[in-house]
Amino acid sequence: QQQVKQSPQSLIVQKGGISIINCAYENTAFDYFPWYQQFPGKGPALLIAIRPDVSEKKEGRFTISFNKSAKQFSLHIMDSQPGDSATYFCAASWDGSARQLTFGSGTQLTVLP
Amino acid sequence: DAGVTQSPTHLIKTRGQHVTLRCSPISGHKSVSWYQQVLGQGPQFIFQYYEKEERGRGNFPDRFSARQFPNYSSELNVNALLLGDSALYLCASSPSRDRVTGELFFGEGSRLTVL
Repeated sequence: QQQVKQSPQSLIVQKGGISIINCAYENTAFDYFPWYQQFPGKGPALLIAIRPDVSEKKEGRFTISFNKSAKQFSLHIMDSQPGDSATYFCAASWDGSARQLTFGSGTQLTVLP
Repeated sequence: DAGVTQSPTHLIKTRGQHVTLRCSPISGHKSVSWYQQVLGQGPQFIFQYYEKEERGRGNFPDRFSARQFPNYSSELNVNALLLGDSALYLCASSPSRDRVTGELFFGEGSRLTVL
């Protein structure tokens, strides 16, 4: 019940295109859903996060869409750039677990110039 | 401002040995968490410490232990190393134990290779 399932495992997008990464969870107690970006040799960095009281959150070119009834959430990267090439992780947490993050397995995004 | 710093950045050990990894949180942050990231997978929660007390523990064997010091820095210790312990060990800090936002700031990790 603690799993967060992420897809696809890898994604190749042309510059200027839209990148979409999907995640699904089972634990209905989860109430915080962040996305992290990780470059090779670096630690994960928070990109954007959402709570289940809203269905969408946008920050610049990054948008999270959240479907509470389906227990799914997704990251959309608009106008994808080569500099966006990285591994993206979705995650989830809830207050009763000391706010530990349960991560998805990651999506390696490559944006072609 | 300094971010989360971890040391060493890389180390190689042999099976059965012991390892100590160190972490200094962002100044003012009182909570430190440890995660294990095996190559090709997402990070997995190991421990959380807040105000020097263990506040959460993941599904890891007793060979894994940690502590937090009065200056909020932390150590992760792993005894009797196994090949499967080879991973990137990430330390993350946050201002409080359970803020609603739950934002964690990660260091760049310690890459452990067990031969």
